[in-house]
Amino acid sequence: RKEVEQDPGPFNVPEGATVAFNCTYSNSASQSFFWYRQDCRKEPKLLMSVYSSGNEDGRFTAQLNRASQYISLLIRDSKLSDSATYLCVVNTREYGNKLVFGAGTILRVKS
Amino acid sequence: SAVISQKPSRDICQRGTSLTIQCQVDSQVTMMFWYRQQPGQSLTLIATANQGSEATYESGFVIDKFPISRPNLTFSTLTVSNMSPEDSSIYLCSATGWRSYNEQFFGPGTRLTVL
Repeated sequence: RKEVEQDPGPFNVPEGATVAFNCTYSNSASQSFFWYRQDCRKEPKLLMSVYSSGNEDGRFTAQLNRASQYISLLIRDSKLSDSATYLCVVNTREYGNKLVFGAGTILRVKS
Repeated sequence: SAVISQKPSRDICQRGTSLTIQCQVDSQVTMMFWYRQQPGQSLTLIATANQGSEATYESGFVIDKFPISRPNLTFSTLTVSNMSPEDSSIYLCSATGWRSYNEQFFGPGTRLTVL
């Protein structure tokens, strides 16, 4: 079983749609959680951290369920510029950094 | 905010040769890392670059194949040794420490093709 699993998609949605991505992780001792965005032929960039209480940044909402080892990302009012690969990322070390990346979910927003 | 640069941005190399990739951060950071992203796949951590000491390698990666240096807080190199076509990949440098310990920021990557 992969340490971080995501639905690869692609998700094809019209502008203005709401879309949700899910992610599960296998290491129950994981400490911190993130969503990164990667555009084609570019490096990954941090979209948002994911906190236990859930957090929102504009049109983006992230949720964490530690009991189920499940992370989600909700994008409201999708824009064409949201088209990218969204990477679920988990820090699996209690001390130090080891980021484990999911394979990514492809989002295509169409007009 | 700080910027991470990598050189070269891309290269095409012959089998059996070695390539050294440089990573430069424009401000002091606490930790630096090297990742590999093979075509169509996600990122895999190769090693943590430790300042002034040997890098810490992840399972499946060894120093003889991927020697790493980090002589100071802002610079690191990764060498891909005795290359084969299976080493064709994007190699990315990352760093952490500007805002929080857990958040990593990535360089633009080096696209390597081995013939």
